[in-house]
Amino acid sequence: LAKTTQPISMDSYEGQEVNITCSHNNIATNDYITWYQQFPSQGPRFIIQGYKTKVTNEVASLFIPADRKSSTLSLPRVSLSDTAVYYCLVGDMDNAGNMLTFGGGTRLMVKP
Amino acid sequence: NAGVTQTPKFRVLKTGQSMTLLCAQDMNHEYMYWYRQDPGMGLRLIHYSVGEGTTAKGEVPDGYNVSRLKKQNFLLGLESAAPSQTSVYFCASSSSRGPTTKNIQYFGAGTRLSVL
Repeated sequence: LAKTTQPISMDSYEGQEVNITCSHNNIATNDYITWYQQFPSQGPRFIIQGYKTKVTNEVASLFIPADRKSSTLSLPRVSLSDTAVYYCLVGDMDNAGNMLTFGGGTRLMVKP
Repeated sequence: NAGVTQTPKFRVLKTGQSMTLLCAQDMNHEYMYWYRQDPGMGLRLIHYSVGEGTTAKGEVPDGYNVSRLKKQNFLLGLESAAPSQTSVYFCASSSSRGPTTKNIQYFGAGTRLSVL
């Protein structure tokens, strides 16, 4: 069972900043938070990963509050090509020792 | 830089036929995974492996078998295909976990399977 909750879909316009929040109330001490992006007809690809505070790379920023019970993926100045499904994944195994799987993700639609 | 390679890319089967999907990775990763993704849905884990010679069931293992005889290869088998197995299949790999979890998965391009 996935340990995360994220919105099913979001709409935005080109040039805007998009923030996608993921809730993970039961995050474990050693868990990292990982975000993936999936374009239609492609496999997911890694975007960013963090443990606490803020992480930034050339694609996105990841904000993690002190309690780590949620995280926010920030995409600056989105373009049409950012239309994709974004998955939030926490850790890699649930409390029963089963490997975690991806949830439904957040479907981002960027409009002109 | 091949990464994760899946073969074949497309396949059409008749109900009851069998086939094997091959996944190969050149990153020396310990962990390998097989997912299925139905239209408009998220990924569901079928089986995974935490090392050569080991396999484990995921969320939706029924109707599938897997083998990890070599570290770089992870095979997914359908013994008797059913229309419900029509889907896109993705393979992924990741390095072994360290003291803290930093499990990043690298995915193949997928195999589109239709069972008639």
